[in-house]
Amino acid sequence: IVLTQSPATLSVSPGEKATLSCRASQNINTNLAWYQQKPGQPPRLLIFAASTRATGIPARFSGSGSGTEFSLTISSLQSEDFAVYYCQEYNKWPPITFGQGTRLDIK
Amino acid sequence: QLHLQESGPGLVKPSETLSLTCTVSGGSISGSSFYWGWIRQSPGKGLEWIGAIYYSGVTYYNSSLKSRVTFSVDTSKNQFSLSLRSVTAADTAVYFCSRGLGYYYYMDVWGKGTTVTVSS
Repeated sequence: IVLTQSPATLSVSPGEKATLSCRASQNINTNLAWYQQKPGQPPRLLIFAASTRATGIPARFSGSGSGTEFSLTISSLQSEDFAVYYCQEYNKWPPITFGQGTRLDIK
Repeated sequence: QLHLQESGPGLVKPSETLSLTCTVSGGSISGSSFYWGWIRQSPGKGLEWIGAIYYSGVTYYNSSLKSRVTFSVDTSKNQFSLSLRSVTAADTAVYFCSRGLGYYYYMDVWGKGTTVTVSS
């Protein structure tokens, strides 16, 4: 399964909304997770099962989608949200695969 | 709170074996719901899943690395390990260990990562 994330880079102003996309090459139902990674840190689980927030994740992060089309929305960007975001599928693991990432930059 | 910590040499020579250990604290590696995995990230690149191991020793490997990689687990020490043979410069990366949910394999706890450079 190939995951394609778009755009590669997204520039958004603080306080605005950001929407990141992840497309799967075949149906993965809702078996998708999203991670946030900041420089020098490991990835942090944000969303699993396409739309369930992980423990401690703020409500401004939301996930949606099923099948082959998924999105991660950050409703009002805070300074700490500027990072790289990865999607990961686990539909019929092993194996698992990651998308190539979307870099969210400050505009 | 569960904590994972990678350890091992930061420099490995080409053609030699890269060996890393992940020590789990704050919980048991023998929990029935979890797999313990390795992921790497080459400089400036994305995430690559290397594989995962269950506390019983069941292993799953990325097919692209399967011929060179071996996982092991030591439940008495609450550790699991990675061995990658015949390394080249392409194996230079940050290596992360992580905990994955058993049936739905997403990773909820990660180590901080350790940088391994392959160079003579």
